[in-house]
Amino acid sequence: GQQVMQIPQYQHVQEGEDFTTYCNSSTTLSNIQWYKQRPGGHPVFLIQLVKSGEVKKQKRLTFQFGEAKKNSSLHITATQTTDVGTYFCAGRVDSSYKLIFGSGTRLLVRP
Amino acid sequence: ETGVTQSPTHLIKTRGQQVTLRCSSQSGHNTVSWYQQALGQGPQFIFQYYREEENGRGNFPPRFSGLQFPNYSSELNVNALELDDSALYLCASSSDGVYEQYFGPGTRLTVT
Repeated sequence: GQQVMQIPQYQHVQEGEDFTTYCNSSTTLSNIQWYKQRPGGHPVFLIQLVKSGEVKKQKRLTFQFGEAKKNSSLHITATQTTDVGTYFCAGRVDSSYKLIFGSGTRLLVRP
Repeated sequence: ETGVTQSPTHLIKTRGQQVTLRCSSQSGHNTVSWYQQALGQGPQFIFQYYREEENGRGNFPPRFSGLQFPNYSSELNVNALELDDSALYLCASSSDGVYEQYFGPGTRLTVT
């Protein structure tokens, strides 16, 4: 079946260091979304990427969608303690409404 | 603007019992999706309702069923509960043609 894999599973960084999480799909995606889930919280939408090779920035966060639309990445520059949480990618295949979530990358930031 | 709400917050049930979870979608949203999130995992898509009709279903058995009401609120029903059904159940609402989903706080279900 369709799978979305995410690496790494965990990342522990010193505040100020950069962080990247990678997302890979077994099938071509029509679009990909990124969510952040704080400990004890619920997923919160960050961004959606639709076009092949698309790059979007939100302050210190940079999101990329691969040329083949099968992979994506989220990069955070100069992490802060407020960045702590689990970051999920979630992709859609064709025009399906089904959103397939990755397993998430848990980010811990040492102050 | 009212956000997505879910009830109850926590629930403890015994294996074999039935449970109903409720979700009120965000104002103006006509689509509700339900997800199961096991500890340490990503949310798994159960099904989606659009204007009171099931619009898509994930790999969950028929004992997982749902409803959407005219006001777009929704229910998730699970029959014959199993231990593996213990998880956080999330609902998310969205509106026509907009894929961004707004999640509720979830219902933590424990099956003993």
